[in-house]
Amino acid sequence: KAGVTQTPRYLIKTRGQQVTLSCSPISGHRSVSWYQQTPGQGLQFLFEYFSETQRNKGNFPGRFSGRQFSNSRSEMNVSTLELGDSALYLCASIRTSGSPGELFFGEGSRLTVL
Amino acid sequence: AQSVSQHNHHVILSEAASLELGCNYSYGGTVNLFWYVQYPGQHLQLLLKYFSGDPLVKGIKGFEAEFIKSKFSFNLRKPSVQWSDTAEYFCAVNARTGGFKTIFGAGTRLFVKA
Repeated sequence: KAGVTQTPRYLIKTRGQQVTLSCSPISGHRSVSWYQQTPGQGLQFLFEYFSETQRNKGNFPGRFSGRQFSNSRSEMNVSTLELGDSALYLCASIRTSGSPGELFFGEGSRLTVL
Repeated sequence: AQSVSQHNHHVILSEAASLELGCNYSYGGTVNLFWYVQYPGQHLQLLLKYFSGDPLVKGIKGFEAEFIKSKFSFNLRKPSVQWSDTAEYFCAVNARTGGFKTIFGAGTRLFVKA
């Protein structure tokens, strides 16, 4: 199976701009989660989607949003970027049967906000 | 709300030393438990997992973990580490209800001296 694909891999934005990140999960996986990874903070949960529905949301401000499409691809958007949003954003494709909840990660999108 | 605590943020060992990384979680219900590993320059990958049954689970590369329900713990162990085990290790917990929201600990950076 092809792995999880995240685009873009790297991007630089300035404060106040907005950004959209994309994730294509493993074929057949209908659930994805998004995480923000920063040094010392580990992985902070952003949201989880299953069949186009957001089932869980983490403790992030409303500037962080996401969606999932009918083909299971997902996007997340961050509006009005702040310096503190600089991080590696990880998408995880979630196995929903067999070993339910097992995560398969992409390489991530590294966002730098100047 | 779920939370995960990893006891050590940085660990330095010599090759052949034994390893134990502590992980405690906070959640009153039934959980699935995971350890993920991130080798330098690579994406996060599953090391081992516990869903039910034998509380001692074995993973890849000689790692094992023991689930102690009464202590809400899921400690990772390896009898003899190798230089190639240098990586960051994350404990993760997923509640079995309400989707696949997986919460991660802050991570432990392991450095193995050759």
